[in-house]
Amino acid sequence: SQQGEEDPQALSIQEGENATMNCSYKTSINNLQWYRQNSGRGLVHLILIRSNEREKHSGRLRVTLDTSKKSSSLLITASRAADTASYFCATGGGSNYKLTFGKGTLLTVNP
Amino acid sequence: NAGVTQTPKFQVLKTGQSMTLQCAQDMNHNSMYWYRQDPGMGLRLIYYSASEGTTDKGEVPNGYNVSRLNKREFSLRLESAAPSQTSVYFCASRGQIKSNQPQHFGDGTRLSIL
Repeated sequence: SQQGEEDPQALSIQEGENATMNCSYKTSINNLQWYRQNSGRGLVHLILIRSNEREKHSGRLRVTLDTSKKSSSLLITASRAADTASYFCATGGGSNYKLTFGKGTLLTVNP
Repeated sequence: NAGVTQTPKFQVLKTGQSMTLQCAQDMNHNSMYWYRQDPGMGLRLIYYSASEGTTDKGEVPNGYNVSRLNKREFSLRLESAAPSQTSVYFCASRGQIKSNQPQHFGDGTRLSIL
């Protein structure tokens, strides 16, 4: 069964706006990762946050992690049309080499 | 920089036929994975190989077998294909065992079973 659940399932915004996606999970984790998938392609890793971290930045991406609420958020600032993709959160647990993926958020950025 | 290469990219099978999906990585990674992606279901782990010489079942292993041929290659076999196995299959690899490293994905094999 899926560990992570993204919210919303779909998000449509205008270019230049910020996009926020949320992920909730059920069990304890070692790390949480976000991936992007462009249509017809494989997943590409965006950012990883460890369980002892609360916030992490990478370029226009900001990820937060709240282990007490078992939730994470991905913020993409100043969105571009090229950001149009599906975004997945994935959690790594005790074995540390398996990931469990959520169902994804489909982000559409309109020019 | 090939990364993870999957072959074939597309395949149509008839029910009951067998097929092997190939995956190779050139990053000297230890762990390799097979997932299937269905609409509305996200990615589900079929089998994985934490290191050369080992394989383990994931969330949805029924109807599949795998072979870790060497450190580079990890194949997925459907012995008797069923329409329920129509899906997009992704192979992934990862570097060191027990470290916080991301997985690297191929571009998938789109498999239709009639």
